[in-house]
Order: sequence, then C-alpha cells, then structure tokens
Amino acid sequence: GENVEQHPSTLSVQEGDSAVIKCTYSDSASNYFPWYKQELGKGPQLIIDIRSNVGEKKDQRIAVTLNKTAKHFSLHITETQPEDSAVYFCAASSSNTGGFKTIFGAGTRLFVKA
Amino acid sequence: DTEVTQTPKHLVMGMTNKKSLKCEQHMGHRAMYWYKQKAKKPPELMFVYSYEKLSINESVPSRFSPECPNSSLLNLHLHALQPEDSALYLCASSQSGGAPGELFFGEGSRLTVL
Repeated sequence: GENVEQHPSTLSVQEGDSAVIKCTYSDSASNYFPWYKQELGKGPQLIIDIRSNVGEKKDQRIAVTLNKTAKHFSLHITETQPEDSAVYFCAASSSNTGGFKTIFGAGTRLFVKA
Repeated sequence: DTEVTQTPKHLVMGMTNKKSLKCEQHMGHRAMYWYKQKAKKPPELMFVYSYEKLSINESVPSRFSPECPNSSLLNLHLHALQPEDSALYLCASSQSGGAPGELFFGEGSRLTVL
C-alpha cells in the first residue's frame, strides 16, 4: 500500500540555524505533497504544500523541494525560532474513486534551542 | 470562519458504552474526514466523506460507525470499543473531495476506553 517515510524522527537545532526534514513516498500516483505542523494539544496545520508539476516552492523562511523521479521531497526552515518547535509531518496525497487520500509520514519532532 | 469544531474535547467510556463524537465546519467544504492519532504517531485515515457520501473506509472495525447528516456535520458513533481504541480522534475537512488539497483539522477529541 501507500507509504511515506520521514527522517529524522527528532531534530534539535540552535535558534537561527536551518532545519531540513526529508521524506520519500511509494505511490507513483501521488500528486500533492503537504507539510503540516502540529503543536501540543492541537490538530495539524498546513504550513506549505507543493504539487507534482512544481519542483520548488518558498514562503518566507520555509521552502519545499520535490524530486518526482526519485520520489523525494524535503522541507527547509531557515533562521529557526523557538516558536518553530513542534512536530512536523510530511504527507502525500493521491486521488481515489470518490475522494482523495492523504497519508502521513511518521513525523519529526523539532526542538529549537534559544 | 476557518474552523473545524469537534466535541467533546475529552471522552471517557467503558467497553459496553455507546457514545458519539461530533464535528462541524461552516467553510462550505464538500469533503470531511476522520483520522485516528495515537501518542507520538501520525494521523491515520479512517473514513472519507465526499459530498455527504462515504467514499473511503480504510478497513475500520464496525465498532466505529461514521455518519454525515449534512455537508457541515460529521459524526463518529462508538460502540463496544476496546482499550486499544484510546486515541485522539481528529476530524478534518477539505474544499473538494476530488483533487487533493489542504486538510483543515479540528483540535481533536481525546478518547479513553476503560
């Protein structure tokens, strides 16, 4: 079945450093790749997404890259701040009859030390 | 209004009880979802409703029974649950049930089965 692998599971950086999280997916039909941030006691919230016809997308300090051939995609956070500390999930979505499925990676717990 | 509202926030039930989780959105979204999230794990898809019809059931045990009374409401009826069903149940919605897009999550209902 569909599978999304995510690394690392835990990432600790100093404030101001960059953080990189990497994911791979198995379903060739996946065409939408969102990244969600989940803070304690809250539901996941979208921070950036990319579609399969685009190789890179940037939004201020956050960027995502996609390599469809290798089925890899990555999240880059620059100039990290303590409020970036949270769990980050990559995901891959594909259309199915009657709807679309979003499958999540295992998550990366990011700690930003002040 | 960009909120997905879930009630109750916390629920404790015995294995013989019948209870329901409720979810509401007023964004005009046409697809709604139930996800299950165990501690330190990613959300796992349970059900997808697209245009008020159940379109995806990820082989969920029949002790979980979803219902979509209208396009704004989604229920999850619980009966004869097991302790291993204790988890955070997340409801989400998306604008369309067709092309993949952003999922808007509620804060979840934390279920404990005794």
